[in-house]
Amino acid sequence: DIQMTQSPSSLSASVGDRVTITCRASQGIGNYLAWFQQKPGQAPKSLIFAASALQSGVPSRFSGSGSGTDFTLTISSLQPEDFATYYCQQYNNYPLITFGQGTRLDI
Amino acid sequence: QVQLVQSGAEMKKPGASVKVSCKASGYTFTSCAMHWVRQAPGQSLEWMGWINAANGDTKYSQKFQGRVTITRDTSANTAYMELSSLTSEDTAVYYCARRSGYYGIDYWGQGTLVTVSS
Repeated sequence: DIQMTQSPSSLSASVGDRVTITCRASQGIGNYLAWFQQKPGQAPKSLIFAASALQSGVPSRFSGSGSGTDFTLTISSLQPEDFATYYCQQYNNYPLITFGQGTRLDI
Repeated sequence: QVQLVQSGAEMKKPGASVKVSCKASGYTFTSCAMHWVRQAPGQSLEWMGWINAANGDTKYSQKFQGRVTITRDTSANTAYMELSSLTSEDTAVYYCARRSGYYGIDYWGQGTLVTVSS
């Protein structure tokens, strides 16, 4: 099974900051990587697919990059509504998918 | 607009089974696959399985193989996930999530809390 490891597990930041979250796959997955945002008590929300493509309606301050085993999610200027938990997910051997353990972003 | 509406919360005793439904609207049901993902309290997301809504093909996580069954009713635009032999470790929120081809997983249901307790 492909394992996904996110870092850091948690971080604190302020409104207006630029933040980067890293996701590493245990083996190469091409660009078959997605990112999701989850707020407490809510279902996850899809942000990015194919490592760098934004889902419809997602603000442009979110961006993704990487391929192979190393990926990043960057939020260019944090807004109050961005404080949440972020998950990466690989789908290289679709339909089997695996998620990272999550990164909690706090104020 | 695309909506995935799941059935309500369930309380089950150990050893029982639970069946969660996910009714889709706003798109052609058979054009997209459906995944089922669960989240135990305070934990990450865990993939359980998938169904091709067009032909009914399924694939399950090895962890749940033999205990989970995913089905669909195309006439009702609804996918189902049944989990048997429940234990307290199955207490979690269960989500359905639509996979739309190239776009990957793009829409999620609101989640269904399943509580297993004697």
